[in-house]
Amino acid sequence: DADVTQTPRNRITKTGKRIMLECSQTKGHDRMYWYRQDPGLGLRLIYYSFDVKDINKGEISDGYSVSRQAQAKFSLSLESAIPNQTALYFCATSDFNGRAYNEQFFGPGTRLTVL
Amino acid sequence: GIQVEQSPPDLILQEGANSTLRCNFSDSVNNLQWFHQNPWGQLINLFYIPSGTKQNGRLSATTVATERYSLLYISSSQTTDSGVYFCAVTIYNQGGKLIFGQGTELSVKP
Repeated sequence: DADVTQTPRNRITKTGKRIMLECSQTKGHDRMYWYRQDPGLGLRLIYYSFDVKDINKGEISDGYSVSRQAQAKFSLSLESAIPNQTALYFCATSDFNGRAYNEQFFGPGTRLTVL
Repeated sequence: GIQVEQSPPDLILQEGANSTLRCNFSDSVNNLQWFHQNPWGQLINLFYIPSGTKQNGRLSATTVATERYSLLYISSSQTTDSGVYFCAVTIYNQGGKLIFGQGTELSVKP
C-alpha cells in the first residue's frame, strides 16, 4: 500500500464551486505539506503543518485553506475555485531529526481542472 | 530568497548514452533531494543527498555543499528514464519546505 495517498486523483469542476482535496499518510511523519505544480514548472508550496495545531502559509496560499484533522490527515480546500487554480496538486510528508529535515515523500498527485 | 537553477533545461539522448544533470543553489541548504517526474506526473524520490555521493543502480548523485551544487549522473540511459528531473532544497528555519528548480526534461530515444 502507498505511504502517502491522495483523493481524488482527477477532478473537473466549475468556477465558483468548493473543492476539497484529501491526503492521508501512514509514514508516521508529523510534518505535512501541500504543493501546486503548473505546467512546465517546479512545485510551489501552498500550506504546511507541523501538527494538528500548527498550520502555516506557504508562498501561494491565497484562495486556499487547509485542515489538519489528525496527524495522518491533511486536507486542502478551494473555497471558490477559479480557472487559474487548474494545476497538479501534491501532498507530501517528512519529519525532523533535530538537526535537519529528513527525506520528503510525495503522494501521487491530484489533477484539478477548473472550467 | 534562495535560487535553485538546473541545467540543461532539455536533453535528448540515444538509449545507452550517459548524461550529467546539474543543480546550483545560491545559499547554504539543510537538505537536497533529486526527483524524477514520470510522464504520468508522479514524483519518484531518487536521492536524499545534502552532501557526499550516493549510488543507486545506474544513477548516482554528488552534492558539494560548500560549492553549492549537486550533480545527477545517469549511465546507460533507457527509454524509461524519460521525464523531468527536479532538484529541490530545504533551508534552515523555513519549516522544511522544499524549494524546487525548474527541472531538466530528459527524452531518451530508442
